[in-house]
Amino acid sequence: EDKVVQSPLSLVVHEGDTVTLNCSYEVTNFRSLLWYKQEKKAPTFLFMLTSSGIEKKSGRLSSILDKKELFSILNITATQTGDSAIYLCAVEAGAAGNKLTFGGGTRVLVKP
Amino acid sequence: EAGVAQSPRYKIIEKRQSVAFWCNPISGHATLYWYQQILGQGPKLLIQFQNNGVVDDSQLPKDRFSAERLKGVDSTLKIQPAKLEDSAVYLCASRPSRLAGARRYFGPGTRLTVL
Repeated sequence: EDKVVQSPLSLVVHEGDTVTLNCSYEVTNFRSLLWYKQEKKAPTFLFMLTSSGIEKKSGRLSSILDKKELFSILNITATQTGDSAIYLCAVEAGAAGNKLTFGGGTRVLVKP
Repeated sequence: EAGVAQSPRYKIIEKRQSVAFWCNPISGHATLYWYQQILGQGPKLLIQFQNNGVVDDSQLPKDRFSAERLKGVDSTLKIQPAKLEDSAVYLCASRPSRLAGARRYFGPGTRLTVL
């Protein structure tokens, strides 16, 4: 059974801090890894990673994938209160590439 | 581009009652998913449609849950009868096709509380 584990479960930081979120996976026929941000509404797409070692960046957020060690990290620099959310990691796997397995999420709270 | 629409946004029912949720995916998206997200957990796939056909319903509790997408556009998910453990957010998502890349586009969800 495919498995995606995120850590930490939750963390509290102050504005301006940097946070690093972890996602490890064990799946059959890996195809891609996705990060989503979930506030009190629909999960919104952040990144999709398919290749090891290539950093994807969007503003203060960045992410990288290590397909040898089977993990990804999501970094948020200079955090703001608007970064408070649950961050979800999901892995697409399977021969047909249809199966998307989510981790349990990391809840981030940024205090002013 | 309009996003994925879901209704209702919130629903409170008593156990053993029935409930139905509606989803309208992004126009032209052939693949539609229903996910269940229990508080503190990641979304879990219940059912996947490709047009009006079921691709994967292996995790759908078929004794009480049913879903349809009769015309290959909007979809309805029903629970009958509901149990306490069905309290969750039900997320609908869509994707242009199974070959279109992994990104799913999510709706705002329906928060179900079963008392």
